[in-house]
Amino acid sequence: KNEVEQSPQNLTAQEGEFITINCSYSVGISALHWLQQHPGGGIVSLFMLSSGKKKHGRLIATINIQEKHSSLHITASHPRDSAVYICAVRPLTGTASKLTFGTGTRLQVTL
Amino acid sequence: GAGVSQSPRYKVAKRGQDVALRCDPISGHVSLFWYQQALGQGPEFLTYFQNEAQLDKSGLPSDRFFAERPEGSVSTLKIQRTQQEDSAVYLCASSLLEQETQYFGPGTRLLVL
Repeated sequence: KNEVEQSPQNLTAQEGEFITINCSYSVGISALHWLQQHPGGGIVSLFMLSSGKKKHGRLIATINIQEKHSSLHITASHPRDSAVYICAVRPLTGTASKLTFGTGTRLQVTL
Repeated sequence: GAGVSQSPRYKVAKRGQDVALRCDPISGHVSLFWYQQALGQGPEFLTYFQNEAQLDKSGLPSDRFFAERPEGSVSTLKIQRTQQEDSAVYLCASSLLEQETQYFGPGTRLLVL
């Protein structure tokens, strides 16, 4: 079992829909990251969370440390949001620098 | 401002060849990370530098993989005697300090034939 599980693996939505991507992890963490990867490989860091909720534009990320779960929400989705969204955690044990990644959620937003 | 850059962007190698992948981090960033991303998978940690010191190389898959950052800025990931299973995208990321936001480069897509 992977330490970081994401769901769904693939998601298709129509423009304007509210989107939720989930991330569950099995280890104690010091931080959780949400990343966006466009075709061609470029990765952009969206959020780094250790508790509560963060908002940036149409993106909202929440984390529940007790339940070891985080969600990424996209409001009023747009075709330009189409990308792979990756959850990554920084475990409490082991090397502090090491991120463990989920396999990603591929989102396609259609007109 | 300049972000993290990597070169080459694409590399095709014959099995058994040696390859060298370069990463130019954001100026002043202390921490530098290398990741390997197989097709359809999330990135996997390879190694980590703090300035010129390689503090963690536990993710390097074999002794054919070697990374260096001799002056604490540019880093090179070298793969000797490449094998087909080395085909992947190799991502470099840097951060100002160890546990801060990581900024990723565009990656080098390596294909070993």
